[in-house]
Amino acid sequence: KNEVEQSPQNLTAQEGEFITINCSYSVGISALHWLQQHPGGGIVSLFMLSSGKKKHGRLIATINIQEKHSSLHITASHPRDSAVYICAVRRDSNYQLIWGAGTKLIIKP
Amino acid sequence: NAGVTQTPKFRVLKTGQSMTLLCAQDMNHEYMYWYRQDPGMGLRLIHYSVGEGTTAKGEVPDGYNVSRLKKQNFLLGLESAAPSQTSVYFCASSRPGLAIRETQYFGPGTRLLVL
Repeated sequence: KNEVEQSPQNLTAQEGEFITINCSYSVGISALHWLQQHPGGGIVSLFMLSSGKKKHGRLIATINIQEKHSSLHITASHPRDSAVYICAVRRDSNYQLIWGAGTKLIIKP
Repeated sequence: NAGVTQTPKFRVLKTGQSMTLLCAQDMNHEYMYWYRQDPGMGLRLIHYSVGEGTTAKGEVPDGYNVSRLKKQNFLLGLESAAPSQTSVYFCASSRPGLAIRETQYFGPGTRLLVL
């Protein structure tokens, strides 16, 4: 079983819909990252969380440490949000990140 | 600032050929990483470096070597390329410090095809 699981693997939605992408993990962590990979391949960090909730524009990320679960929400989705969204967790004890396989999101106009 | 740059952007190799991928960062970051990304899989760490002159193995180091002779550069070498090394390679860098503050900055990627 992978230590970081994302769901769904693929998500297609209409413009304007509220989007939720989930990330579950099975190890002790010190931080969780959400990243966005554009269709051209570039990877950009969106959020870094260790507790609670963060908001940036139409993006909201939450984490529940007890349940070992995080969600990334997109409000008023737009075709430009189409990308692969990746969850990664940092173990308590070393420099390395453990990566989820990503969720491919397509927003149709 | 250019951030993290990678050279080349795309390369085709024949089995057994060698090549070096160059990663450069201008953010004075201590930590640098090489990942590979394959379809349907998460990024996998090949090698990383926590400072000039130091390197360490990641999750999938076999078939690769690295060097960090200068703080700003991290080189990934393939001595004898194999078709299994066909992938997209990403370099990243980050500052040291508490994990909560450590964001990794990524290069644009290098697409490598080994025939």
